[in-house]
This record gives sequence, structure tokens and C-alpha cells, in this order.
Amino acid sequence: NAGVTQTPKFQVLKTGQSMTLQCAQDMNHEYMSWYRQDPGMGLRLIHYSVGAGITDQGEVPNGYNVSRSTTEDFPLRLLSAAPSQTSVYFCASSYSGAKETQYFGPGTRLLVL
Amino acid sequence: GDSVTQMEGPVTLSEEAFLTINCTYTATGYPSLFWYVQYPGEGLQLLLKATKADDKGSNKGFEATYRKETTSFHLEKGSVQVSDSAVYFCALWNYGQNFVFGPGTRLSVLP
Repeated sequence: NAGVTQTPKFQVLKTGQSMTLQCAQDMNHEYMSWYRQDPGMGLRLIHYSVGAGITDQGEVPNGYNVSRSTTEDFPLRLLSAAPSQTSVYFCASSYSGAKETQYFGPGTRLLVL
Repeated sequence: GDSVTQMEGPVTLSEEAFLTINCTYTATGYPSLFWYVQYPGEGLQLLLKATKADDKGSNKGFEATYRKETTSFHLEKGSVQVSDSAVYFCALWNYGQNFVFGPGTRLSVLP
């Protein structure tokens, strides 16, 4: 099993550009989520999904969109990147009945100039 | 809302030293408590957890005890190794809600 995979590993964007961060898992997990990690602030939840076709906002959703068309994939879209979105982004997944056991991807480091 | 506070560090220790990383929390109800570890260039991995008061989680020589009276979940290890150098996150989870993470503590262990 590959577990949770994320692409790209590193990306540089200019202010106003758009991009999609990819996340995929091969464990048939219903629950998937996106976090951002900033120095001194730990991980903050951006969006999450409890299954295909169902998404919801987390703590810091502004500037980000998500969709969940399949169980395996949960892409995160930045519509118009801003320097405040410079961060490390982690995708995580778990079984809905065991949300306390999360599996994290390796992260995407994003720099917005 | 729920929150987690932990010492931010960095913490620098010599190999074989004793490690303590403090974690306290504020939460309603009876959350589960976790320690996650992030090695350089990797995602977070679950290190240990405790689901009720007085439970002790342990793994790889690390331990933490769920203390409801002091709302704490301090991480300890008796003898650290260079390979323990990482960032450690304390977190809590209440049923039906999402995870809340602390800011992380960077540990560097020198040979």
C-alpha cells in the first residue's frame, strides 16, 4: 500500500496564480482532511470530507476549495494564491469509525511570492 | 473552543538524556489525547495515545499519562537517541469533532 500520497512536494507560485494540491489514499478511508502547518501554530484544519460527494469547512477555509468525487482523491484548490497561503500542507485520512487514527501524507511545501 | 498548549522549544539534549515535553489542554467532555511525531521531510506519525483519564500511552520508549485533574499529557523518555530528533505534536480529539493540535516542539538530540 502506498498509504497517503501528495503531489507536488514543493511549489512556488506568484500572487494571484491558481493551483491544485493533489492527495490520494489507497486504504478505502471515508474520512479525508487538509491541514496547513505554520510555525508556532501547529496544524490547522482547512477542509474535510466524510465521503465521496460530501465536504465541509474546517477552521481556516478561506481561499481554498475542495471536492471529493471519489473515495481515493481529495484535491485542494487555491483559486488566487496569496503570500499568506505560504505554508506546508498535509493531507490525512482515516476510517470514519476511527477518526482518531489518522494517516498523514508527506506534505506539500508551498511558497507564494 | 478546545485548545492544546505545549512548550515550543527548540529543545536540545545530549544523547541518553531524559526528555520531558509538557502538554496541557482545554476541552469539554472527555477527549482522547495523542502525541504525533514528525521526522524531517515526512508527514506526522502517531506516536502514542490515551483515551481516558489515568491511561498511559507508550511506544518506542516514550510514555505519556492522561491526567484529567491537571489537564495534562506530558511526553517523557528516559534516554533519548539522535534518531529521536523530530518535531513532536500534542493533540486532542473529541468524538464527533475534529482534531486540535498544539504548535509542536522541535527536539534536537546531539551525539
